[in-house]
Amino acid sequence: NAGVTQTPKFQVLKTGQSMTLQCAQDMNHNSMYWYRQDPGMGLRLIYYSASEGTTDKGEVPNGYNVSRLNKREFSLRLESAAPSQTSVYFCASSEEEGRGYTFGSGTRLTVV
Amino acid sequence: GQSLEQPSEVTAVEGAIVQINCTYQTSGFYGLSWYQQHDGGAPTFLSYNALDGLEETGRFSSFLSRSDSYGYLLLQELQMKDSASYFCAVRSPGGYQKVTFGTGTKLQVIP
Repeated sequence: NAGVTQTPKFQVLKTGQSMTLQCAQDMNHNSMYWYRQDPGMGLRLIYYSASEGTTDKGEVPNGYNVSRLNKREFSLRLESAAPSQTSVYFCASSEEEGRGYTFGSGTRLTVV
Repeated sequence: GQSLEQPSEVTAVEGAIVQINCTYQTSGFYGLSWYQQHDGGAPTFLSYNALDGLEETGRFSSFLSRSDSYGYLLLQELQMKDSASYFCAVRSPGGYQKVTFGTGTKLQVIP
């Protein structure tokens, strides 16, 4: 099983450019999440989706949008990238909301 | 709001035992999780405690005391491959505050 698959693994954007981070899971999980990880700050929740068709803001949603395309896929979009969005982004899914997350391998994003 | 505290760094000797502590302050509490993350890798789920006491999974054990808002991860028979960052995470009710992660403890295992 692939688990949680994220693409791309690395990306460099110029300020103001847009991009979509893709995430797919093959574990039939209902809950999916997008986190960002910055040095010394742990993991912070951007958006989550408790089930297909629902999305909710997390701790740091500004500058991001999400789409829960179906049960497998949950994408994160940066409409106008800013240097403050330079980070490592992780997608995760879980069978039960809030516990036992399976994480993807991450996307290392640099905005210049 | 939510806050978690864990030591930023811990060093231990191969073959020894190490304990990584986590104290938390949250509005409501469902459970405490632990994750391992190697440099450049993704976090990996280790354990989840909802009730007080010790839970053992192989060389790793996790403890919770809800009355003290405290938990720890115990790693026994340390191996070099255990060198990684370890995050505690609290699951609590209400809105988006479902899971809050600590800032992580970097464990270095030395020969």
